[in-house]
Amino acid sequence: KQEVTQIPAALSVPEGENLVLNCSFTDSAIYNLQWFRQDPGKGLTSLLLIQSSQREQTSGRLNASLDKSSGRSTLYIAASQPGDSATYLCAVRLLSGGSNYKLTFGKGTLLTVNP
Amino acid sequence: SAVISQKPSRDICQRGTSLTIQCQVDSQVTMMFWYRQQPGQSLTLIATANQGSEATYESGFVIDKFPISRPNLTFSTLTVSNMSPEDSSIYLCSVEGGDGTYEQYFGPGTRLTVT
Repeated sequence: KQEVTQIPAALSVPEGENLVLNCSFTDSAIYNLQWFRQDPGKGLTSLLLIQSSQREQTSGRLNASLDKSSGRSTLYIAASQPGDSATYLCAVRLLSGGSNYKLTFGKGTLLTVNP
Repeated sequence: SAVISQKPSRDICQRGTSLTIQCQVDSQVTMMFWYRQQPGQSLTLIATANQGSEATYESGFVIDKFPISRPNLTFSTLTVSNMSPEDSSIYLCSVEGGDGTYEQYFGPGTRLTVT
């Protein structure tokens, strides 16, 4: 059974700081990995999608990396802003087993960026 | 990408009653997914809804408690039946993008409080 762990559970940083969020997963036979942002009481916004054959993806100030062999992904946020404050969720999609459509989510990292 | 809307956005319901949540997508999709997010927890898949067939429920979720309809390729409903306070959660509708990447998109969620 795939398990996804996100560290740290919460992070508070001053504005302008660069930061890294971590995600680890137990089953390396993944199809892809997706990072989401969730604002309080709201739905999920897709940030970055990394296919299993890729090593990283970038979007603006965000960079996500994937090391499938070690079961790890990181989300790097450059020059953080108060508007980045949210919960960041990592989700992996299994490659096979008849459930390749199912995502397994981590519990998320609650990020607070202080002005 | 896909744009998903949900109704209602939030509701407060009494124990023992039922609530039907609607999900509308701006494009035709094969599968629609319903997730639950309990307070302080990550997302858990309730069921997958294919148009024209019975929904497939995950372990721990049953049709009598969470009946699902999928009348066409852009719409689905989830009913939470005979509610108890333990059903207080955010319920999220989700679809996959149709470009073969299996990127997942989520609706804004329905925040349900059962008193």
